Amino acid sequence: EPEVTQTPSHQVTQMGQEVILRCVPISNHLYFYWYRQILGQKVEFLVSFYNNEISEKSEIFDDQFSVERPDGSNFTLKIRSTKLEDSAMYFCASRGQATGVNEKLFFGSGTQLSVL
Amino acid sequence: GESVGLHLPTLSVQEGDNSIINCAYSNSASDYFIWYKQESGKGPQFIIDIRSNMDKRQGQRVTVLLNKTVKHLSLQIAATQPGDSAVYFCAEEGQRNAGNMLTFGGGTRLMVKP
Repeated sequence: EPEVTQTPSHQVTQMGQEVILRCVPISNHLYFYWYRQILGQKVEFLVSFYNNEISEKSEIFDDQFSVERPDGSNFTLKIRSTKLEDSAMYFCASRGQATGVNEKLFFGSGTQLSVL
Repeated sequence: GESVGLHLPTLSVQEGDNSIINCAYSNSASDYFIWYKQESGKGPQFIIDIRSNMDKRQGQRVTVLLNKTVKHLSLQIAATQPGDSAVYFCAEEGQRNAGNMLTFGGGTRLMVKP
């Protein structure tokens, strides 16, 4: 089965530093997402991206966050100035096809971000 | 407000028994529901989904039941195996345009005793 791949698997950074989390969605997918999961909590939506622009974003996705699809395969999440509370597992996800509505969503294995 | 939640945080079952994991949702506009399995250190893995025009859907060893009257969703796992041990999340999605987001419940940890 096709996979969403994420790098790195673990990222440790100092508070105030910028981090970029990288994802390669499934190749023929059109809709891309970032979710995060703080340890022991539920998975939370951050942002969705379609047709080279943000479709929806949550309250968590403030001005410190940005997403980009720099080429035809990568999808990145940048946190400009990390805070301690940004420590979480970040999941990239993608879904295909014609409408993206009610389509199966595929998740990557996540990047564990630790902000010290 | 809109929410998706789970009734039990931990469920312990004997290997070979059937497991039932429950989920309540409050958004009556939700029309697509999904169960995900998450093993330690991994991303959520799709198990089974159901649309609101159905009340039951079966997969391999798994069945999802949807009761729209009481806004309740359940996941049944037949002949539970040790490999089924994981955290199970329900998620819901409303009918929206491109960029649909999933709202996840809090998760139930399933522990299978050999």
